[in-house]
Amino acid sequence: QVQLVQSGAEVKKPGASVKVSCKVSGYTLTELSMHWVRQAPGKGLEWMGGFDPEDGETIYAQKFQGRVTMTEDTSTDTAYMELSSLRSEDTAVYYCATGVWGYDAWGQGTLVTVSS
Amino acid sequence: EIVMTQSPATLSVSPGERATLSCRASQSVSSNLAWYQQKPGQAPRLLIYGASTRATGIPARFSGSGSGTEFTLTISSLQSEDFAVYYCQQYNNWPPRTFGQGTKVEIK
Repeated sequence: QVQLVQSGAEVKKPGASVKVSCKVSGYTLTELSMHWVRQAPGKGLEWMGGFDPEDGETIYAQKFQGRVTMTEDTSTDTAYMELSSLRSEDTAVYYCATGVWGYDAWGQGTLVTVSS
Repeated sequence: EIVMTQSPATLSVSPGERATLSCRASQSVSSNLAWYQQKPGQAPRLLIYGASTRATGIPARFSGSGSGTEFTLTISSLQSEDFAVYYCQQYNNWPPRTFGQGTKVEIK
């Protein structure tokens, strides 16, 4: 059974960057395709990007192109999502999630607050 | 980009009654559709994948149907723990793997 444990809440100023981690247990990261989803306060779920095993590449939602970078450290089975040039609209809970058909494993979420 | 539209936005149902939630795709997603349940302060939980296959540990009162552009999630007899927000998501044609805007199932 896959378990995903994310890093703690962050408070950032506009223009800064944030890097959220997602530690995998129960499987190795190389066995999974990790994706990231965010949820602004009181809003719905928004897909940010994820690994495509068919292409062997990470694919990003167009909305975040140029601002988001998703990386993996297979030596520690930890995935990372870095979002730069933060603005107030980026205040949200960020989730890592994985699954073959739909996401059957989710991290607990990381609240990122962007405020001056 | 495929747009997923859920209806209704809010569904008021009494415990023990049936709930029927709809999800429509702007173009065909075949059967590559998932349903999730989310309770306040929690991560979403996968209920259904492949439009109609229950995920591990999901009670039989949850069922999914449809293909192409029209999908339905049915909860046959609502229990107290089923009051939550439900999202559909397509994973047929991505990026992006779009979610619907959600349906809140509340106690009538």
